[in-house]
Amino acid sequence: DTAVSQTPKYLVTQMGNDKSIKCEQNLGHDTMYWYKQDSKKFLKIMFSYNNKELIINETVPNRFSPKSPDKAHLNLHINSLELGDSAVYFCASTTRLAGDNEQFFGPGTRLTVL
Amino acid sequence: AQSVTQPDIHITVSEGASLELRCNYSYGATPYLFWYVQSPGQGLQLLLKYFSGDTLVQGIKGFEAEFKRSQSSFNLRKPSVHWSDAAEYFCAVGGGADGLTFGKGTHLIIQP
Repeated sequence: DTAVSQTPKYLVTQMGNDKSIKCEQNLGHDTMYWYKQDSKKFLKIMFSYNNKELIINETVPNRFSPKSPDKAHLNLHINSLELGDSAVYFCASTTRLAGDNEQFFGPGTRLTVL
Repeated sequence: AQSVTQPDIHITVSEGASLELRCNYSYGATPYLFWYVQSPGQGLQLLLKYFSGDTLVQGIKGFEAEFKRSQSSFNLRKPSVHWSDAAEYFCAVGGGADGLTFGKGTHLIIQP
């Protein structure tokens, strides 16, 4: 009965590889997000996705691309991985109907680029 | 642009003592404000939220926060901390299409 789930929990890969992180929510929410938490624990929004409307944080490299096959899923694909991509990536979701902007977070995916 | 400042990077409190974590925000409209807690290696858990109504908000685990518009603050308080409260605490503002803007976090250490 997990609300927001992410796979994998840990991902170790080499520089230059392409990888994907999957996110699923079973809350019936209409908006999903990806956040990046760096080594200093600073959390920053990367993307938000609502009804096929994608809003991108301008600081995110175009090597990162979110893909949403349906409302319950928002996957993150990363091309040509770099050392600086090592971080914890959190997926989150919310519904605009609630009116309070509360976001529910997944457990995170720790990405290590070697 | 919205922003959040948590001026204390680390705070050390004795077990049983009271706690206050500071948060100041910058936001163009009525803010949606949140406090999250993150234990080591874990995800983010919502402690409490404010978006309207009573400015003193009660949350889980005995935490409360007070919204003060005149000071652009949303400080988190707990009357008596437990060793299990040791964690990283994040204040956040916003939401909606732009997502949440987080502060840099306050690392809480509990002394026995």
